Amino acid sequence: GAGVSQSPSNKVTEKGKDVELRCDPISGHTALYWYRQSLGQGLEFLIYFQGNSAPDKSGLPSDRFSAERTGGSVSTLTIQRTQQEDSAVYLCASSLGATGQNQPQHFGDGTRLSIL
Amino acid sequence: DQQVKQNSPSLSVQEGRISILNCDYTNSMFDYFLWYKKYPAEGPTFLISISSIKDKNEDGRFTVFLNKSAKHLSLHIVPSQPGDSAVYFCAARVTGNQFYFGTGTSLTVIP
Repeated sequence: GAGVSQSPSNKVTEKGKDVELRCDPISGHTALYWYRQSLGQGLEFLIYFQGNSAPDKSGLPSDRFSAERTGGSVSTLTIQRTQQEDSAVYLCASSLGATGQNQPQHFGDGTRLSIL
Repeated sequence: DQQVKQNSPSLSVQEGRISILNCDYTNSMFDYFLWYKKYPAEGPTFLISISSIKDKNEDGRFTVFLNKSAKHLSLHIVPSQPGDSAVYFCAARVTGNQFYFGTGTSLTVIP
């Protein structure tokens, strides 16, 4: 079966431009997460969607970052007016089950974002 | 504030020997712990997990140990194989499904 799919795999853009990153989770997974990993760092939580509940946006670093999840499936992470410090690998993960269930996350291969 | 810490950025082990990867955490509310393995240019792959009500979980060559009093998690790989060479991340979940990750340990298994 298909895993978590992210696109594009690489994105290079100029400072100040907006970017959209896409995540297609595993079919049937109700939970979806976005993380970013900067060079030499661990995974930094950004946002979490669970079913139809309001997303947990507590990890978004600034109001330039936003995310949507349409129809409980595909998610888009948007970064407006990109800055050089936004350069990182953005990882999406999905998991089966509701809050509290011990279900591991399954990750996509990430989008490597480079801001010039 | 790093709630999950992997203090060893790298580890080298001879093939056939045991690899021990360590992880410390600070939040006593974590209830579920996981280890992920990551190859370059790929996303992390789930390896093994343990609930906070247990102190050991075994899956083939991989065993995870949890010491709640010490707030310490470890992954044992035995015997180590060259294909195990990768970056290993530990992760912990607070009830409510937010996960915290360590910074990773790069394991090299020498043939």
